[in-house]
Amino acid sequence: EPEVTQTPSHQVTQMGQEVILRCVPISNHLYFYWYRQILGQKVEFLVSFYNNEISEKSEIFDDQFSVERPDGSNFTLKIRSTKLEDSAMYFCASSGETGGLGVNEQFFGPGTRLTVL
Amino acid sequence: DAKTTQPPSMDCAEGRAANLPCNHSTISGNEYVYWYRQIHSQGPQYIIHGLKNNETNEMASLIITEDRKSSTLILPHATLRDTAVYYCIVRVRGYGNNRLAFGKGNQVVVIP
Repeated sequence: EPEVTQTPSHQVTQMGQEVILRCVPISNHLYFYWYRQILGQKVEFLVSFYNNEISEKSEIFDDQFSVERPDGSNFTLKIRSTKLEDSAMYFCASSGETGGLGVNEQFFGPGTRLTVL
Repeated sequence: DAKTTQPPSMDCAEGRAANLPCNHSTISGNEYVYWYRQIHSQGPQYIIHGLKNNETNEMASLIITEDRKSSTLILPHATLRDTAVYYCIVRVRGYGNNRLAFGKGNQVVVIP
């Protein structure tokens, strides 16, 4: 069964450093997402991406964040200058569409645990 | 998107049916009901969704009341691996604004 994969599973970085989190969405999906979950809190939407551009972003997704689909398979989230409060699980998701009915359900990856020291 | 209300937690007996309620009294006509679950520290997992008809798949059944103001997710034979936080989310299914708004969910514990 196809699945979303994410690397690395755990990333430790120093405050102020740049990190890139990587995701490989399901191959025939067209819509891509990033969510995050701070320990003990709710899963929060960050950004959605379609047709090589951001289609929606939350207030969390400020100028420190960027997303990219550098090739036909990877989808990345970059945090330019990490802060302590960026420590969280980051989940990538993808979805396909059914013509006339809209975007299908989202399938999530296992997450990357980011720890900022 | 309409908001949902779920109990914060519930216990279920292993091998029995688990009935997970969700209230969405402000749901609008074009909003679907989606259910996801999150097993500890893993990514959310899609379970099922529906608009107004009852739905069943290999994981669960979804019963939506006729007025669509509430729904019940049924796990027919709960196992210990079904212990998870279950999220009921209502959203429009279209081509834009696809974000999922997760609440606190219902922490379901399956007891042997």
